[in-house]
Parts: sequence; C-alpha cells; structure tokens
Amino acid sequence: DAKTTQPPSMDCAEGRAANLPCNHSTISGNEYVYWYRQIHSQGPQYIIHGLKNNETNEMASLIITEDRKSSTLILPHATLRDTAVYYCIVRVGQGTYKYIFGTGTRLKVLA
Amino acid sequence: NAGVTQTPKFQVLKTGQSMTLQCAQDMNHEYMSWYRQDPGMGLRLIHYSVGAGITDQGEVPNGYNVSRSTTEDFPLRLLSAAPSQTSVYFCASSYRDSPGAKNIQYFGAGTRLSVL
Repeated sequence: DAKTTQPPSMDCAEGRAANLPCNHSTISGNEYVYWYRQIHSQGPQYIIHGLKNNETNEMASLIITEDRKSSTLILPHATLRDTAVYYCIVRVGQGTYKYIFGTGTRLKVLA
Repeated sequence: NAGVTQTPKFQVLKTGQSMTLQCAQDMNHEYMSWYRQDPGMGLRLIHYSVGAGITDQGEVPNGYNVSRSTTEDFPLRLLSAAPSQTSVYFCASSYRDSPGAKNIQYFGAGTRLSVL
C-alpha cells in the first residue's frame, strides 16, 4: 500500500475553509484515497473517499490531482467541532483490507 | 442500531495476566479488525478477519490472538500482558470489498488498557 505524508498540524479560523493536504506520490492506479478523522480519543470517523475524480458529500470535498500523487480535503466552513486529527489513507480497492494509518494532521479550529 | 460495541472501556492488568477484549457489531459486516493506538501515534493494524473462521495478521500481531466464530463477534486475546501493550485498542468493521462499494470502516469507542 502506498504511504502518505501529511503536515503534523494546522490551524484554521472558525467559519473559514480548512484545506488539509496529503501527499501520496507512490499511489497505484487501483488505490483509493480515504479520509478519516479522530476527535479527542474517540474511534476514527469516515469522511470521504475517491479514486480519480473530485468528490463532495455533506461533510467535505476531496480534490485529487490529475496525476493522483496528492489530494486535499476541504472543510468548507470549519467549526470548533471540526477540531480533530485527520488521517489520509490509501488502500487497494479490492481484496485487501489493510488500512495503513499515518500520524495524520492535527487541525485546530480557532474561535 | 448499536454499531460496533467494545467492552470493557477501561482495564488495568498486571504483567503476565491474560484477558480478552470484546468486540461485537450488529451491521452484518463481513470484515472486522483490531487496531492499537499509542500516545501521539496513528492506528496500527493488529489482526483482521474477512469472515467467520478466517483471520489474518496485520502490522503488529505479536502477543495477540484472535478468532472469529460468528459474524458478529471478534475478540482479541492478550495471552501474557506486557507493559508494551499499554495502549488504546479499537475494533472496526465494514462490508466485504466489492466493485463500487464504499468499504467504509466503522469504529468502536475503544478500550483503554494499562499494563503495570
């Protein structure tokens, strides 16, 4: 599975967009990009995932570069409750179930 | 809908003791897994199962045993606890991989284990 690189921490003002980058330069053609977040010490929570195209759901948007070597998770209007550790994960779409979590990005939303 | 339930929430053990961490899910998920999370670290995969009777090792399997006799339950056994196993343990489940499936993992609330 491809490895990911994320900045260790970021700050964002409440109400502004939070843009969390992830580098996955060794990603393979059939590997998906997943984003999870962990609030305090709770179990991680799924946010969004994608393969090639940009994706949007009620929580966030995912922008994947054309070469698929990096992606950005966008929280359009960050709130204090979005303060969490965000994990970017790549995994093969079928047949393997190994999620490799890195150390993630600790996002702090400031009032 | 309870989702993924882990018990106990907290546990303190002495070195050399054994115990079983329980994990149950009510979503009829085929896939279940166990992770550990050490302070300031990401999650590391211990063992996983793709269905009843089928288990496999993850990144850090040493010192842990698992079995999967039913779809719902996936217990994690510590045979002889060591201080290095002090950690937070998370159980997760998801549907089996299939084309187009989201394969979202649902996590339990965790078990906080201290080994003295």
